[in-house]
Amino acid sequence: KQEVTQIPAALSVPEGENLVLNCSFTDSAIYNLQWFRQDPGKGLTSLLLIQSSQREQTSGRLNASLDKSSGRSTLYIAASQPGDSATYLCAVGIYGQNFVFGPGTRLSVLP
Amino acid sequence: SQTIHQWPATLVQPVGSPLSLECTVEGTSNPNLYWYRQAAGRGLQLLFYSVGIGQISSEVPQNLSASRPQDRQFILSSKKLLLSDSGFYLCAWSTGGAGQPQHFGDGTRLSIL
Repeated sequence: KQEVTQIPAALSVPEGENLVLNCSFTDSAIYNLQWFRQDPGKGLTSLLLIQSSQREQTSGRLNASLDKSSGRSTLYIAASQPGDSATYLCAVGIYGQNFVFGPGTRLSVLP
Repeated sequence: SQTIHQWPATLVQPVGSPLSLECTVEGTSNPNLYWYRQAAGRGLQLLFYSVGIGQISSEVPQNLSASRPQDRQFILSSKKLLLSDSGFYLCAWSTGGAGQPQHFGDGTRLSIL
């Protein structure tokens, strides 16, 4: 059974700092990995999707990498801003068009 | 462009009452549809998914049921709500086939009294 973990559970950084969020999964047989952002009381906003054949994806200040063989993905946020404060979730796409989600990392960027 | 709508945004219901949450998708055909629950402080739990009209798969045995009466409509129901049904319910869609991203609605906050 696929299990997804995210470390750290919470992170607080000063504005302008670069940071890395980690996602680990137990079964390397995945179709893709998707990173989401969730603001309090809101739905999920898709940030980046990495297909299993890809190594990384970039969007603006965000860069996500995927190492399928080791079961790891990282989300790199450059020059963090207070507006980046949110919970970040990763999800792996598995057989049957389903996704398994991690518990999330709650990020606070302090002005 | 595609959009997904969920309603209501918030709902307060007494224990034992029925439930109906609705989700509709616009701008795409034959989407895969999903219902998730997010309990306080916990990750998203997949409840149901559907790959077509009338086709429902349940991931977790529970007090809830789902139906897909139309291609782009997904309904989450219960005949009698339990306290443990409280949570944040999210609907999502993706295009058919593996490797496609999921897109989420704004969610429904359900409180059971």
